[in-house]
Amino acid sequence: KNEVEQSPQNLTAQEGEFITINCSYSVGISALHWLQQHPGGGIVSLFMLSSGKKKHGRLIATINIQEKHSSLHITASHPRDSAVYICAVETGSARQLTFGSGTQLTVLP
Amino acid sequence: ETGVTQTPRHLVMGMTNKKSLKCEQHLGHNAMYWYKQSAKKPLELMFVYNFKEQTENNSVPSRFSPECPNSSHLFLHLHTLQPEDSALYLCASSQDPLWEQYFGPGTRLTVT
Repeated sequence: KNEVEQSPQNLTAQEGEFITINCSYSVGISALHWLQQHPGGGIVSLFMLSSGKKKHGRLIATINIQEKHSSLHITASHPRDSAVYICAVETGSARQLTFGSGTQLTVLP
Repeated sequence: ETGVTQTPRHLVMGMTNKKSLKCEQHLGHNAMYWYKQSAKKPLELMFVYNFKEQTENNSVPSRFSPECPNSSHLFLHLHTLQPEDSALYLCASSQDPLWEQYFGPGTRLTVT
């Protein structure tokens, strides 16, 4: 069993829909990251959070430390949001990230 | 523009070749990282450098040899690779190991 589990693995939505991607982890962490990877491989760091909630534009990330669970929400989704969204947790040595397998999001016009 | 650049973006090499991947960060960060992303697998951390000192080596085969001559540059020297080493190699940097990481665009490596 992976230490970091994401769901769903694949998600297709219509433009404008509200999207939720989930991440569960099984170990104690110091922080959790949400990353976005576009076709071609480039990765952008979206959020780093250790408690509560963060918002940036149409993106919202929440984390519940007690339940070992985080969600990434996208409001008013757009085709340009189509990408792989990756959850990663910092465990043990704070320098090391353990990654989930990613969620492939496709937003249709 | 992420501030982290990688060259080359694509590389095809034979199993007997020697090549190097280069990463450069323009963000004034002190920590740099090499990651490997194989098809349909999560990202794997390979090496971590903090203030030019290697601090992590996650059981990476010796055919991968990192070099960090200064805090802005990171190299990954490759020799006698195997076809299963074909993957996307990503470089990242952060202000220090506790801070948010910024990723480069990656080098798509194919070993023939």
